[in-house]
Amino acid sequence: GNSVTQMEGPVTLSEEAFLTINCTYTATGYPSLFWYVQYPGEGLQLLLKATKADDKGSNKGFEATYRKETTSFHLEKGSVQVSDSAVYFCAHKAAGNKLTFGGGTRVLVKP
Amino acid sequence: DAGITQSPRHKVTETGTPVTLRCHQTENHRYMYWYRQDPGHGLRLIHYSYGVKDTDKGEVSDGYSVSRSKTEDFLLTLESATSSQTSVYFCAIGDVSSYNEQFFGPGTRLTVL
Repeated sequence: GNSVTQMEGPVTLSEEAFLTINCTYTATGYPSLFWYVQYPGEGLQLLLKATKADDKGSNKGFEATYRKETTSFHLEKGSVQVSDSAVYFCAHKAAGNKLTFGGGTRVLVKP
Repeated sequence: DAGITQSPRHKVTETGTPVTLRCHQTENHRYMYWYRQDPGHGLRLIHYSYGVKDTDKGEVSDGYSVSRSKTEDFLLTLESATSSQTSVYFCAIGDVSSYNEQFFGPGTRLTVL
């Protein structure tokens, strides 16, 4: 079936450190892939997306590349800030118009 | 930001009582979704709608019903609330033309005592 697996948190980093959050998926065909971010007390916001193999989504210094061969969509940022503290969700759209979400990864960036 | 509001934002109720949550959009999007968010489970789809009066079940639909009589409103009803339905509920909207990107509301925190 369709599923999304992402690394469990919390991930604790110092400011300016490199961040990677792993995400892998199972799906039939070639789903669109998404990263959403949830700041404390808020709903989810789309961070970036990729709709076909080898596409790179990017926004706010975050990047993720759609890797069909490894069915992965890892999120990276070269230098995190305290304001990047949030919960990050990987998701894919496979069949129909529904998204399947991973369990979320909490990131805490300390000054 | 997409125009999505949810009401109420917080609610405390007792086991066995009916509860209705409302999602309202001003974007005229065709699709509307209800999710619940629980620690360790991420977001799980409860029900969704693909048009007025057109709805379907998600992965955790037991104990929930929905209705959509207007494009802009999508109601989620717990007929008889249970403690296991204590959660944060999010509404989302989307359209086929945007590669199924979904826009989320601010959430409703529901506590069932």
